[in-house]
Amino acid sequence: AQSVTQPDIHITVSEGASLELRCNYSYGATPYLFWYVQSPGQGLQLLLKYFSGDTLVQGIKGFEAEFKRSQSSFNLRKPSVHWSDAAEYFCAVGAKEYGNKLVFGAGTILRVKS
Amino acid sequence: EAGVVQSPRYKIIEKKQPVAFWCNPISGHNTLYWYRQNLGQGPELLIRYENEEAVDDSQLPKDRFSAERLKGVDSTLKIQPAELGDSAVYLCASSPVWRANTGELFFGEGSRLTVL
Repeated sequence: AQSVTQPDIHITVSEGASLELRCNYSYGATPYLFWYVQSPGQGLQLLLKYFSGDTLVQGIKGFEAEFKRSQSSFNLRKPSVHWSDAAEYFCAVGAKEYGNKLVFGAGTILRVKS
Repeated sequence: EAGVVQSPRYKIIEKKQPVAFWCNPISGHNTLYWYRQNLGQGPELLIRYENEEAVDDSQLPKDRFSAERLKGVDSTLKIQPAELGDSAVYLCASSPVWRANTGELFFGEGSRLTVL
């Protein structure tokens, strides 16, 4: 069965420091990959997506992610974190072979310390 | 452009009571989803509509949950009777049909249900 793993439940970084959130997936197909962000009391907002082509994708708010097929990973990165980036981040995976149903990871809560 | 609108934002009920959630998707979005998000977990799909038709309801607990999308626009998700384990955030999402096949969704703010 398809699954998505976000190994880190919580991450704390200092403002201005770099960030990497990990995402690993298990899919028997060519996946579509997404990162969503959820601020407290808000709905999920799409940060970036990968469908095909260049494996390094740029998103909103200065985020980027790299698809590594050999490692079944799609890690999210940001070179310099701002206090407003504190939120919960969800990796999600879908595939045409599974009816394009999105499967979400359990999320990583990012705390930013000043 | 208005986003996905959900109501109520918060609902507290006692177990065995009924509850209903309403969703108005983004105008022109043919595909509508209901997700349930338990505390500390990612969203899980309950049901997906293409216009009025429920095309994937395999995860919907049909003994107590029901959903409808009359006229292919607004949707209502109902739980009757509610159980303690139904406490969660119920998220509605929509997508234009041409994006539905790639899973890109637009989410509402969610309806947080607490069952006592």
